[in-house]
Amino acid sequence: DAGITQSPRHKVTETGTPVTLRCHQTENHRYMYWYRQDPGHGLRLIHYSYGVKDTDKGEVSDGYSVSRSKTEDFLLTLESATSSQTSVYFCAISEGQGDRELFFGEGSRLTVL
Amino acid sequence: KNEVEQSPQNLTAQEGEFITINCSYSVGISALHWLQQHPGGGIVSLFMLSSGKKKHGRLIATINIQEKHSSLHITASHPRDSAVYICAVGDTDKLIFGTGTRLQVFP
Repeated sequence: DAGITQSPRHKVTETGTPVTLRCHQTENHRYMYWYRQDPGHGLRLIHYSYGVKDTDKGEVSDGYSVSRSKTEDFLLTLESATSSQTSVYFCAISEGQGDRELFFGEGSRLTVL
Repeated sequence: KNEVEQSPQNLTAQEGEFITINCSYSVGISALHWLQQHPGGGIVSLFMLSSGKKKHGRLIATINIQEKHSSLHITASHPRDSAVYICAVGDTDKLIFGTGTRLQVFP
């Protein structure tokens, strides 16, 4: 199994509070991604990183920020959580983009009350 | 119209049946991915293919680039195959995911 760890795995928070999700990899893969998964939607890309300090927005990036200060860690921050951000968040890694195999973390379930 | 369409959305089968899940896409791609998501939520990559056919155990994936269509076949299905199967298509800068096919295999 690819070494990808997400934390926390479950979190309940209140509207307006900041939340940070962490993705840690031991594979030294260049690309790291944050997706959200909601009923009726496919996985949707929030942000991705193609190297240390190199990040870019995905299709649903509003309300989210990311940081990658080390190859192995990719942080997703909700500056002020809203109920619409209640979702399951998946981190993924790959050696390239769409034409490289993707490895997923176990997911982080976030509930914003 | 979604760029990636999967059919059927839901599928039930008896143990031992041959299963086919379909994926059609409308964009140019360099690779197509089949993923499996178990009830516990974890997502595993089953196949990545850009042409022809791949086989792994009881799973077979095919792709027809000209018709923009892929199929995932499961031979001799088993209750442990119960999961959501997700198709995703990719090029050099993005992946687009289908909404998945929920498969339940009953003993």
